[in-house]
Amino acid sequence: EVQLLESGGGLVQPGGSLRLSCAASGFTVSSTYMSWVRQAPGKGLEWVSIIHSGGSTYYADSVKGRFTISRDISKNTLYLQMNSLRAEDTAVYYCARDTGVGASEWGQGTLVTVSS
Amino acid sequence: EIVMTQSPVTLSVSPGERATLSCRASQSVSTNLAWFQQKRGQAPRLLIYGASTRATGIPDRFSGSGSGTEFTLTISSLQSEDFAVYYCQQYNNWPPRRTFGQGTKVEVK
Repeated sequence: EVQLLESGGGLVQPGGSLRLSCAASGFTVSSTYMSWVRQAPGKGLEWVSIIHSGGSTYYADSVKGRFTISRDISKNTLYLQMNSLRAEDTAVYYCARDTGVGASEWGQGTLVTVSS
Repeated sequence: EIVMTQSPVTLSVSPGERATLSCRASQSVSTNLAWFQQKRGQAPRLLIYGASTRATGIPDRFSGSGSGTEFTLTISSLQSEDFAVYYCQQYNNWPPRRTFGQGTKVEVK
């Protein structure tokens, strides 16, 4: 059974940093695309970043240069390093397995709040 | 960037009735289109991929159609558990950037 478990969310001040983790089970994170998607309070879904099975990475313009997606194959874990955080980055962050035809499995999400 | 536009923003439907949701892409995405359902407080769930293929375990009252820039999600006979927010997402093959529509809320009439 595929499972995704995010962690690392919390309260951070504007300009600060946070690293989110997504522990995967039931498959290997390097075998498929893996995405991060976020949802601001009361708002819709926003795609944030994706890592290809070959390791190529892509970002939404809103986070490019500030966020970095990565994975640790030995830990079967996906990461999102978030730097220079802004109030508008406040959201629930979901990791998702993306088999190339959309995000087929999702984690439960972790809340990031950027506030002073 | 490919922009996805969904309509209507809110759809009021009675249980048992048909619901038709639309999604338009700013440029052709072929059939690289998925639909998701999200209930309050839950993660999204994949319903449809490839514009018309139901994901595993999705009831056949959900159907998708379209290609290019115009897509439709139809729920043939709304059940109580179907009242939720629905999102479309394009997944352009390369580069693999994704974008979501803003969502359509299906509510009880």
